[in-house]
Amino acid sequence: DIQMTQSPSSVSASVGDRVTITCRASQGISNWLAWYQQKPGKAPKLLIFAASSLQSGVPSRFSGSGSGTDFTLTISSLQPEDFATYYCQQANSFPRTFGQGTKVEMK
Amino acid sequence: QVQLVQSGAEVKKPGASVKVSCKASGYTFPSYGISWVRQAPGQGLEWLGWTSAYNGNTKYAQNLQGRVTMTTDTSTRTASMELRSLRSDDTAVYYCARDKVDAYDYWGQGTLVTVSS
Repeated sequence: DIQMTQSPSSVSASVGDRVTITCRASQGISNWLAWYQQKPGKAPKLLIFAASSLQSGVPSRFSGSGSGTDFTLTISSLQPEDFATYYCQQANSFPRTFGQGTKVEMK
Repeated sequence: QVQLVQSGAEVKKPGASVKVSCKASGYTFPSYGISWVRQAPGQGLEWLGWTSAYNGNTKYAQNLQGRVTMTTDTSTRTASMELRSLRSDDTAVYYCARDKVDAYDYWGQGTLVTVSS
């Protein structure tokens, strides 16, 4: 199975900050990487697919990059509605696997 | 618009079975797979499996093999997940999601399954 490791596990940030979350795969997954946002009590929401493609309707302050084993999700200017937990997921092979999550908290 | 509507919360005793349904609307049902993901209280997301709505093929998480069955019914546009021999650590919110191969673009609202004696 492919292991997905996110860092950091949590980050404290302020509105307007640039936030970067990384995700590392235990083996190469090309660009088969998605990012999701989850708020408490809600289903996850797709932000980025194919490592860098922005899902329709997602604000352009979200961006993704990377290929192979190392990936990054960047929020260019954190907004109040962005405080949430973020997960990466590999779609290269079964079983699909998620990272453990990164909680973006208010500083 | 695309919607996935799941069945309601369930409370089950250890050893029992539960079946969660996921009714799809707003898109061509056989054109996408349905995947299932669960989230235990305070924990992260765990992939459970995938089923093709086109031909019924399935892939399951290794740790659930033998206890889980995922099906789709194109006539009712409904996907279902049955989990048997329930244990307390199966207590979680269960989600279905539309699988477009490279990501899950629409999710159900979640179904809380509580396993308790």
